[in-house]
Amino acid sequence: SAVISQKPSRDICQRGTSLTIQCQVDSQVTMMFWYRQQPGQSLTLIATANQGSEATYESGFVIDKFPISRPNLTFSTLTVSNMSPEDSSIYLCSGGGGPETQYFGPGTRLLVL
Amino acid sequence: QQQVKQSPQSLIVQKGGISIINCAYENTAFDYFPWYQQFPGKGPALLIAIRPDVSEKKEGRFTISFNKSAKQFSLHIMDSQPGDSATYFCAAKGSGYSTLTFGKGTMLLVSP
Repeated sequence: SAVISQKPSRDICQRGTSLTIQCQVDSQVTMMFWYRQQPGQSLTLIATANQGSEATYESGFVIDKFPISRPNLTFSTLTVSNMSPEDSSIYLCSGGGGPETQYFGPGTRLLVL
Repeated sequence: QQQVKQSPQSLIVQKGGISIINCAYENTAFDYFPWYQQFPGKGPALLIAIRPDVSEKKEGRFTISFNKSAKQFSLHIMDSQPGDSATYFCAAKGSGYSTLTFGKGTMLLVSP
């Protein structure tokens, strides 16, 4: 299994600012994903972070708002840009070494005022 | 379009009882069906998973039952314990490096 850590674990930000969330995996993984989860809700996939190429975004999410980096097989960042209160959510990083198994980080709890 | 429908939304079970959570899917290309367990303030943790070539998989007190013709699968938690109180998500994905589609989750409360 893979152990995934995220930083920061939580943050309170002012509207109009940006926050970069870091995701570190303890082993090399082929696929990394970023999800958003509203409290008490299911997980919504934001994008697939591809190593060496641009991220693949799901419908409703765009690169200008959620730029993603994947410099190597163990690390990725998600930036939430020009934040508004509607961006308040839990952001989860996920990764897996194989095509099936996906492990999740503990999440980053973001509150935008 | 919700491709994985999960029910019930919430469930209260007495300690020692059986918890049953059901999921139904529409996409016949799905061929991997995991269940995740999420405690408050934590990320989802992979609990158990099944592929459609078997009808049942058991790991300890957790069992997945799979009905390919009905496009349904369910999680059974035997001898439910208060420590099992969590939110459970079913999910499904196609072959290869495709993405997971999650159900809406079931909040399970096991009363002492």
